[in-house]
Amino acid sequence: EVHLVESGGNLVQPGRSLRLSCTTSGFNFEDYPMSWFRQAPGKGLEWVGFIRGKEYGGTTEYAASVTGRFTISRDDSKSIVFLQINSLKTDDTAMYYCTLNTVTPQYWGQGTLVTVSS
Amino acid sequence: DIQMTQSPSSLSASVGDRVTMTCRASQGIRNDLGWYQQKPGKAPKRLIFGASTLDSGVPSRFRGSGSGTEFTLTINSLQPEDFATYYCLQHDGLPYTFGQGTKLEIK
Repeated sequence: EVHLVESGGNLVQPGRSLRLSCTTSGFNFEDYPMSWFRQAPGKGLEWVGFIRGKEYGGTTEYAASVTGRFTISRDDSKSIVFLQINSLKTDDTAMYYCTLNTVTPQYWGQGTLVTVSS
Repeated sequence: DIQMTQSPSSLSASVGDRVTMTCRASQGIRNDLGWYQQKPGKAPKRLIFGASTLDSGVPSRFRGSGSGTEFTLTINSLQPEDFATYYCLQHDGLPYTFGQGTKLEIK
């Protein structure tokens, strides 16, 4: 059974950094692309970016709104995907979800809440 | 970016009703579209991929159709557990983009 568990969300001040983790199990992690999405309170869903699997070199793609500040990486030996967020802004306040992509994002974690406030 | 216009933004219906919601893409996306259901405080759940293929375990009262620029999600014989917010997601081009969501409420 596939499991995705995000962690690392917190209340942080603007300008600070945060690293989110998504620990996975139940599938051959290195073979699959993994995505991050976010959802601001009371708002819709937004794609943040994804990282391809080992076969495609673990390359990454990002939404324009986060390019340069967000970095997705993966540790295939531990089946974990990371989202590094730098120079946090109040607009980054959201629930952050990681997903396992099969055709489209199929499996979702429960999310981890990032609140950016002074 | 590919814009996804989802309508209606909200829908009021009764148990047993049939409802339909639509997503229109600003350019052709073949059938690279998924439908997601989200309940308050929960992560989204994928219902349909490839515009019309039901995920395993999803009741057959859910039906997706369409290709190119216009897509629909139909729910036949609404059940109490179906009241939620529904989103479409296109993955034909980057960035992936969602519709604004349709909130399905009990009448």
